[in-house]
Amino acid sequence: DQQVKQNSPSLSVQEGRISILNCDYTNSMFDYFLWYKKYPAEGPTFLISISSIKDKNEDGRFTVFLNKSAKHLSLHIVPSQPGDSAVYFCAASEPGGAGSYQLTFGKGTKLSVIP
Amino acid sequence: NAGVMQNPRHLVRRRGQEARLRCSPMKGHSHVYWYRQLPEEGLKFMVYLQKENIIDESGMPKERFSAEFPKEGPSILRIQQVVRGDSAAYFCASSKSSYNEQFFGPGTRLTVL
Repeated sequence: DQQVKQNSPSLSVQEGRISILNCDYTNSMFDYFLWYKKYPAEGPTFLISISSIKDKNEDGRFTVFLNKSAKHLSLHIVPSQPGDSAVYFCAASEPGGAGSYQLTFGKGTKLSVIP
Repeated sequence: NAGVMQNPRHLVRRRGQEARLRCSPMKGHSHVYWYRQLPEEGLKFMVYLQKENIIDESGMPKERFSAEFPKEGPSILRIQQVVRGDSAAYFCASSKSSYNEQFFGPGTRLTVL
């Protein structure tokens, strides 16, 4: 029973174009969402997050959009660079109690940016 | 300004042996989490510890697995009598509090032969 779903296992994008990674969730109690980037043989690196009181958060080339009614979020990377090639994980947490620290992860989307 | 450190990075064990995985949190962080990633899966929460206390071990298998975070020294995840299904990447994360972002270590890749 996956509460966080990343339905695209992989995505290929040309350098300079926009990368859009999608994530859906089923648990309506989730109120905080994070994106992590992971290179092979390394741990996940925090990229950007968004609280459920917002619908957009931007940090440089990275923007996360949240659509609460659709239980959907997306990560936009513009412009995409070859160094962005990695696996991207969507994660979520609930407010208070165990849910606040137990991050629930999706299975990840492998992004390949082609030079 | 070291990040979260884990060792060993790779560990090979035969079925029935014990595996000990170590995690040193970032400086100033007193909250440690362990996650496991099976092949083709996302990370799954196992246990949350603070110094000398297990706060939440709800994600950890009831048998053969234990974790500790002593007053001095790293946090240790211990797997007794390993089986092939224990083969996975084990990630440790740390944070300043339970409400702050978690920073992950490079992981320990356990292979059980």
